[in-house]
Amino acid sequence: ETGVTQSPTHLIKTRGQQVTLRCSSQSGHNTVSWYQQALGQGPQFIFQYYREEENGRGNFPPRFSGLQFPNYSSELNVNALELDDSALYLCASSLVGGPRGGYTFGSGTRLTVV
Amino acid sequence: SQKIEQNSEALNIQEGKTATLTCNYTNYSPAYLQWYRQDPGRGPVFLLLIRENEKEKRKERLKVTFDTTLKQSLFHITASQPADSATYLCALDIKAAGNKLTFGGGTRVLVKP
Repeated sequence: ETGVTQSPTHLIKTRGQQVTLRCSSQSGHNTVSWYQQALGQGPQFIFQYYREEENGRGNFPPRFSGLQFPNYSSELNVNALELDDSALYLCASSLVGGPRGGYTFGSGTRLTVV
Repeated sequence: SQKIEQNSEALNIQEGKTATLTCNYTNYSPAYLQWYRQDPGRGPVFLLLIRENEKEKRKERLKVTFDTTLKQSLFHITASQPADSATYLCALDIKAAGNKLTFGGGTRVLVKP
């Protein structure tokens, strides 16, 4: 059973640029959620994708967008990067309709905006 | 306003002792409460889940209690080991919010040999 894989592991971008982060969900999981974790804080929910549709969104502006593909992998896109977007971006997969259990997180992408 | 609070101060504990972490929340009606472990530079790892109608859950050296009246969960690590050193996060799975986790800020635990 494979876990959640995220790429890239680290990224440095300039303010105003756009970035795409990628996530491969755990085998058998059909839902992907994205979280932003600033240094020293808990993860904050960005949004969730199920059946290729957004299925819930946290308090993040529209410049944060995403996609889910038929194989359940997902992308997080952030436009017009700001310095405050510097954080660890975490992808988590789960199974809708399955037992309510823990989420499987990837190791994250560390994004630095300069 | 809705809040999830964990002790932001690091917990330093001697090997072999029991570490007890607290998670308090306000203005939520969680269906489930989860605990995760996070090591530096890594994603959270699921440890335990407890349902709103359960009082206590155990897994090996870990024990979680859940008091929906006090709006509090306690997380215990018994016979702590240096390998238990990490940040521990509590997360609420809110009834009205679908499959979304709301996390506390985490408590760092340092177990000294």
